[in-house]
Amino acid sequence: DTAVSQTPKYLVTQMGNDKSIKCEQNLGHDTMYWYKQDSKKFLKIMFSYNNKELIINETVPNRFSPKSPDKAHLNLHINSLELGDSAVYFCASSQSAQGSHEQYFGPGTRLTVT
Amino acid sequence: DAKTTQPPSMDCAEGRAANLPCNHSTISGNEYVYWYRQIHSQGPQYIIHGLKNNETNEMASLIITEDRKSSTLILPHATLRDTAVYYCIVRGGFSGSARQLTFGSGTQLTVLP
Repeated sequence: DTAVSQTPKYLVTQMGNDKSIKCEQNLGHDTMYWYKQDSKKFLKIMFSYNNKELIINETVPNRFSPKSPDKAHLNLHINSLELGDSAVYFCASSQSAQGSHEQYFGPGTRLTVT
Repeated sequence: DAKTTQPPSMDCAEGRAANLPCNHSTISGNEYVYWYRQIHSQGPQYIIHGLKNNETNEMASLIITEDRKSSTLILPHATLRDTAVYYCIVRGGFSGSARQLTFGSGTQLTVLP
């Protein structure tokens, strides 16, 4: 069973469209994260939720809106897509937001905006 | 979180030990050292972490110097599948707020046949 899964794996869309990426974890973790990896391969945190509550919101355009319907799911909705949004988006989870718990990452969603 | 410095790339012969260094001279007392790796476009994979003592698990060993200003990740018998970018990350474990991982540029380890 996949611990952290993301759909879709690949997403190609045009500028101006709205798209969503879904993430699910079956580890029973309380905390989930979204990271963005750009073309230069740098991984940066975007958001984090703990028990459905937003706890980290880095400097991300408000076109990006995370939604956590329950603690096993954290979806990312992106409005008015721009060329610069092209990247690989990784979802991750950890047992809790506190302590030294490691994070488990999903396989990534490669978003290409044309 | 403290900044880390890693060599951009390293090679290792298959079957030999791979020793990946990391400097974190500004680490504070409650910050852990984590190692993750990313195998070609896959999601990052947790390897090991430690605070002060050396740690070992089924994947690797982590050696932290006594002053905690540097550490070494050891893959005891590197295989071709260990070729990846290895990230050393320093992260607080006891703060009252969530502590995300801050990834640097890492070390590209290439295991050679």
